[in-house]
Amino acid sequence: SQQGEEDPQALSIQEGENATMNCSYKTSINNLQWYRQNSGRGLVHLILIRSNEREKHSGRLRVTLDTSKKSSSLLITASRAADTASYFCATDLAKGAQKLVFGQGTRLTINP
Amino acid sequence: EPEVTQTPSHQVTQMGQEVILRCVPISNHLYFYWYRQILGQKVEFLVSFYNNEISEKSEIFDDQFSVERPDGSNFTLKIRSTKLEDSAMYFCASNPGHSTPNQPQHFGDGTRLSIL
Repeated sequence: SQQGEEDPQALSIQEGENATMNCSYKTSINNLQWYRQNSGRGLVHLILIRSNEREKHSGRLRVTLDTSKKSSSLLITASRAADTASYFCATDLAKGAQKLVFGQGTRLTINP
Repeated sequence: EPEVTQTPSHQVTQMGQEVILRCVPISNHLYFYWYRQILGQKVEFLVSFYNNEISEKSEIFDDQFSVERPDGSNFTLKIRSTKLEDSAMYFCASNPGHSTPNQPQHFGDGTRLSIL
């Protein structure tokens, strides 16, 4: 698989339910970042988790990082219709100029 | 909160023409980036820029592409002779740099480039 692969590719849940998206990567990282993209719009930064961190919270968002498995998850609790968007993980590699390598993304749909 | 701004939001250009996409990064940031996203695909890194020179570029960033910081605020991406496959959303991003490691990149809203 490529660096920064998310699964599932698409997720559809009812409003109020929790949504979990996963990301796997292949090489060493400085940090891993999650971004949201509404249809046809820009990328909005959600959370950055460093390679020496295991879990991070921000409001209804919870991100975990397992560097031994090279994987991360994004949990959105108590989902709302406004959470409908595509979610991308992006890895900041351990070398180089802090470029981000993005995954294919998970398309999340929250049904009212 | 400071933002990265990009202009224009949508650019329509004839194939073979030159196009310049403009970005104003966040003022105290030191690293600047261009990414592109072809419709329905993932975001791809094009180039990073630091201290007035390219620090890294991808295979996509061939001789048709160039970047410039013509003054203290603007950061531009030029495509010399556009091709149909250059049609994509182009995102500019900036980052504080090495002095403050592990900071997120801040993205603009993008320029949708359509090549006819």
